[in-house]
Amino acid sequence: EAAVTQSPRSKVAVTGGKVTLSCHQTNNHDYMYWYRQDTGHGLRLIHYSYVADSTEKGDIPDGYKASRPSQENFSLILELASLSQTAVYFCASRVTGQLYFGEGSKLTVL
Amino acid sequence: QQKVQQSPESLIVPEGGMASLNCTFSDRNSQYFWWYRQHSGEGPKALMSIFSNGDKKEGRFTAHLNKASLYVSLHIKDSQPSDSALYFCAVSPDTNAYKVIFGKGTHLHVLP
Repeated sequence: EAAVTQSPRSKVAVTGGKVTLSCHQTNNHDYMYWYRQDTGHGLRLIHYSYVADSTEKGDIPDGYKASRPSQENFSLILELASLSQTAVYFCASRVTGQLYFGEGSKLTVL
Repeated sequence: QQKVQQSPESLIVPEGGMASLNCTFSDRNSQYFWWYRQHSGEGPKALMSIFSNGDKKEGRFTAHLNKASLYVSLHIKDSQPSDSALYFCAVSPDTNAYKVIFGKGTHLHVLP
C-alpha cells in the first residue's frame, strides 16, 4: 500500500505569517500533487510535480509556492498566510494513473 | 480549461438500494477517468478506473463511460451504510496527462 504522510496534520497560523506544509512518500512515485479541499469546491489543484527540482502550477496557484527537493518530498509554502487560505490540504503521489492521498493537513488562519 | 461537474450534490438511498452518481467533463480528448471515495476525516481513496467507452464492473460497483457524450457515471448496487461517503470523479485532460482535475463531489448517505 502506497504511503503518503503529511505534516503537520493540523496547524493554526496568524494572518501574514509563513506556513510550510510537508509531504513525504516512500513509494518511488514520480508525480506528486497538492490539492485544497473546501466545502462546496471539492478538490482543487494548487501545484504538482513530475520530477525532483521542478514544479508546475495547477488551477489555483496564487498565494502558494511549491518545492520538490527530492523525489520523496514535496512542500507547499504560504509566504503570507491569509484568512482565505483556511482549508484542508491534501498531498498525493501517483503511479500508473492512480493517486494515493495523505490524510490531510487542516490549516486555520486567524 | 477542463471542467468536471458532478450531480447530484447529495444523494440519499436506503440500505440495499441502487445509488447512481453522475459526472460530465468538457474535453472530449480526456483519457483518464477515476472514481475516488472519501470517508469523513480521511484522505480520498481510489475506487475504480475506466478508460474505454462502455461499462466496467467491480463487485457492487459499475462505472460507465461515454466519451462522445462527455459523461461518466458510477452505480453502486446493494448499497451499504459503509458506502456513505463523499465520491469524486477525476479526469485527466489529453493535453496534459500529468494534471488531474476533480469534480466537487457527491455526498452519498445510505440509510439503514
